[in-house]
Amino acid sequence: DAGVIQSPRHEVTEMGQEVTLRCKPISGHNSLFWYRQTMMRGLELLIYFNNNVPIDDSGMPEDRFSAKMPNASFSTLKIQPSEPRDSAVYFCASFAGMNTEAFFGQGTRLTVV
Amino acid sequence: AQSVTQLGSHVSVSEGALVLLRCNYSSSVPPYLFWYVQYPNQGLQLLLKYTSAATLVKGINGFEAEFKKSETSFHLTKPSAHMSDAAEYFCAVTTYNQGGKLIFGQGTELSVKP
Repeated sequence: DAGVIQSPRHEVTEMGQEVTLRCKPISGHNSLFWYRQTMMRGLELLIYFNNNVPIDDSGMPEDRFSAKMPNASFSTLKIQPSEPRDSAVYFCASFAGMNTEAFFGQGTRLTVV
Repeated sequence: AQSVTQLGSHVSVSEGALVLLRCNYSSSVPPYLFWYVQYPNQGLQLLLKYTSAATLVKGINGFEAEFKKSETSFHLTKPSAHMSDAAEYFCAVTTYNQGGKLIFGQGTELSVKP
């Protein structure tokens, strides 16, 4: 398996634009997580899905953020409209169950100017 | 709710010296504990994990950690640092009823001096 795949790796956009981050989890993993990493706040969990269903979205900062998982092999995180304070590295991770580990993608570095 | 505290945002050691990165956790139920490493511009890679089996856990690259319930600690050690160990290290906690949701500490950046 190629691991968790995120795209794009880098995204630069102007304030007010819509941004869509994509994630392909490892096949067979039934949980998927979106994290945001910043210098100030470290690694924050934004939302997680189990069997494609959102379980906990309490970490989503505002209504401008939304996430979907239409099937077991694809998830998106959308920011609309984007703001400079959204600049961060966004990680996706997938997980097969307890006594295993969460596997992280390489991340998407988002810069909003 | 669970939480993790990593003592020291930056640790510097000389090559060949002992590495000790500190992690304390808080959890009302038995925890599962993890150490992840992040190299620049990379994702997180698992070093080792504690899932209620042996309290001394060995991981990759010569790292190990000991779960001490009485001290609510899960410190990461390596007997002899190598230049390639320079990276950021994250301690994380979850529990059986969290569906794998990891709560991370703030991270410790390890520098290794020649």
